[in-house]
Amino acid sequence: SQTIHQWPATLVQPVGSPLSLECTVEGTSNPNLYWYRQAAGRGLQLLFYSVGIGQISSEVPQNLSASRPQDRQFILSSKKLLLSDSGFYLCACGDFSGANVLTFGAGSRLTVL
Amino acid sequence: GQSLEQPSEVTAVEGAIVQINCTYQTSGFYGLSWYQQHDGGAPTFLSYNALDGLEETGRFSSFLSRSDSYGYLLLQELQMKDSASYFCAVRADTGGFKTIFGAGTRLFVKA
Repeated sequence: SQTIHQWPATLVQPVGSPLSLECTVEGTSNPNLYWYRQAAGRGLQLLFYSVGIGQISSEVPQNLSASRPQDRQFILSSKKLLLSDSGFYLCACGDFSGANVLTFGAGSRLTVL
Repeated sequence: GQSLEQPSEVTAVEGAIVQINCTYQTSGFYGLSWYQQHDGGAPTFLSYNALDGLEETGRFSSFLSRSDSYGYLLLQELQMKDSASYFCAVRADTGGFKTIFGAGTRLFVKA
């Protein structure tokens, strides 16, 4: 089964500063990878997903970007953070079943001040 | 566009049965899933329906009607530990790799 490692777990950043959240996956090859954001008490908003190295689909046009430099590495970045970027960021990996069951990392809680 | 609708909150007593509904509108449909999330934690997978009908997994069951774009999660013999948020999610778009979540239903189980 897959294991998702996400870091950092918590970070506080000033407005206008850059961001880099990293996600790595163990126990699988060529997985489908996802970045979601969850505002407090809200649902999961799909930000990006990737079906292979260098293949990124963007769902929400904004000041965030994603990259997949290696098969099992997925990075979420921003050049200049906004207050509205605060939230709980979750990386997820799909399995290869018909259900495409998502396994989530523990999440990264970002506060932009 | 793509959207999922589910109630924001449901309250029930321990030992009771509760049903959480979900209606969806998507371009392309490959199946409806349900996830559970406890406060501060990550979502975990509960069940999946690709075809019409009922799927049962222990105390939890999930139903799908593709013609109605509707599904539900049924939780039986409720326990206090079932207090959590429940999300329906659809696999959509070409290839079914895109997974979209609803806003979640907060379930409160009372003694």
